[in-house]
Amino acid sequence: GQQVQQSPASLVLQEGENAELQCNFSSTATQLQWFYQSPGGSLVSLLSNPSGTKHTGRLTSTTVTKERRSSLHISSSQTTDSGTYLCATSSNTNKVVFGTGTRLQVLP
Amino acid sequence: EAGVTQSPRYAVLQEGQAVSFWCDPISGHDTLYWYQQPRDQGPQLLVYFRDEAVIDNSQLPSDRFSAVRPKGTNSTLKIQSAKQGDTATYLCASSGLGVQDTQYFGPGTRLLVL
Repeated sequence: GQQVQQSPASLVLQEGENAELQCNFSSTATQLQWFYQSPGGSLVSLLSNPSGTKHTGRLTSTTVTKERRSSLHISSSQTTDSGTYLCATSSNTNKVVFGTGTRLQVLP
Repeated sequence: EAGVTQSPRYAVLQEGQAVSFWCDPISGHDTLYWYQQPRDQGPQLLVYFRDEAVIDNSQLPSDRFSAVRPKGTNSTLKIQSAKQGDTATYLCASSGLGVQDTQYFGPGTRLLVL
């Protein structure tokens, strides 16, 4: 079945620095989503980006479908960005497979 | 618009005890999902429904776990005889019918099995 790998597993930044998160998946995906999970909190969808580049606020996602990879760029990080970022894929069904996440800590 | 609600928020059990989790999806969402999220891991799908029908329960440990959605709205996930390995957060999510529809997650139920 589909496997989703994320890197790095954890990342520590100073406020104002940029973050680059990677997601690689083993099989063709028709949907790719990035989620944010605050410590002890629920998941919130950030972006749906099955292909190409999408921007929202300080977030930019680039998905290269043929190479089965996606990235999430966070510009000018803030302490409130701290948490876990999860990549999730699905393929022609509603069944979604999540990666293990990247834990981001932004220091003041 | 109300989001996905779950109860209880926390549960602590001894091994062998039973527990039920309840989920109320967003009104009008046909698809409902249950995920298990062990500590420091991503959510893993247990089962999902379209209306009242189970579409995929291949990852649900059928000997001890069961899930129902009898009227195609609220859903209950039950663990019959909990084990320490069941310690995790149980997340419910709902979405529309489309395969690209965004899933909206509830706050989760954090289960600790002693």
